[in-house]
Amino acid sequence: AAGVIQSPRHLIKEKRETATLKCYPIPRHDTVYWYQQGPGQDPQFLISFYEKMQSDKGSIPDRFSAQQFSDYHSELNMSSLELGDSALYFCASSLGVSGEQYFGPGTRLTVT
Amino acid sequence: KNEVEQSPQNLTAQEGEFITINCSYSVGISALHWLQQHPGGGIVSLFMLSSGKKKHGRLIATINIQEKHSSLHITASHPRDSAVYICAGYNTDKLIFGTGTRLQVFP
Repeated sequence: AAGVIQSPRHLIKEKRETATLKCYPIPRHDTVYWYQQGPGQDPQFLISFYEKMQSDKGSIPDRFSAQQFSDYHSELNMSSLELGDSALYFCASSLGVSGEQYFGPGTRLTVT
Repeated sequence: KNEVEQSPQNLTAQEGEFITINCSYSVGISALHWLQQHPGGGIVSLFMLSSGKKKHGRLIATINIQEKHSSLHITASHPRDSAVYICAGYNTDKLIFGTGTRLQVFP
């Protein structure tokens, strides 16, 4: 069965650069969530989208923005990267906002 | 106070032992996810439950809504069960993660 796809899987950027992470949900899933997991930390909710509209917002820095496109894939744009942005970024998708969330493999971002 | 709390934080077991991981949650959590995260980082959804009990292979998850408590049981544990197990609660449409339980099963 198709799973959540994230790209790239690994990304290395320098401070002050920008990065774009992509998430392709499971087919027919209309809801996408972004989570950030710092080294040795619990995943933290960043933002979610339902039917291409922002559904909820968590601890997402103002330097980050995200959107969900007409094909339901989502992109997380990160600007003015800081060393503290180094983390594993997970995307999850569900059918509806109350549906079971299925996680992608994550994108490991390293900021040097 | 975290909305989702897990215990224990670390757990070691011998192969074949029965394992229990506990999760307590606060008001506002409507359902619980049990997740497994391996050293490579990928997260796998094990169960989502809002009432009763679910079983999949050697894994059993239960939830008591009145007590706001859930447990994940692993029967006949195996070294390949070694991972971090995370309890995450649904608060409206986002997951609130517990601190995870690091399980190591030795042969």
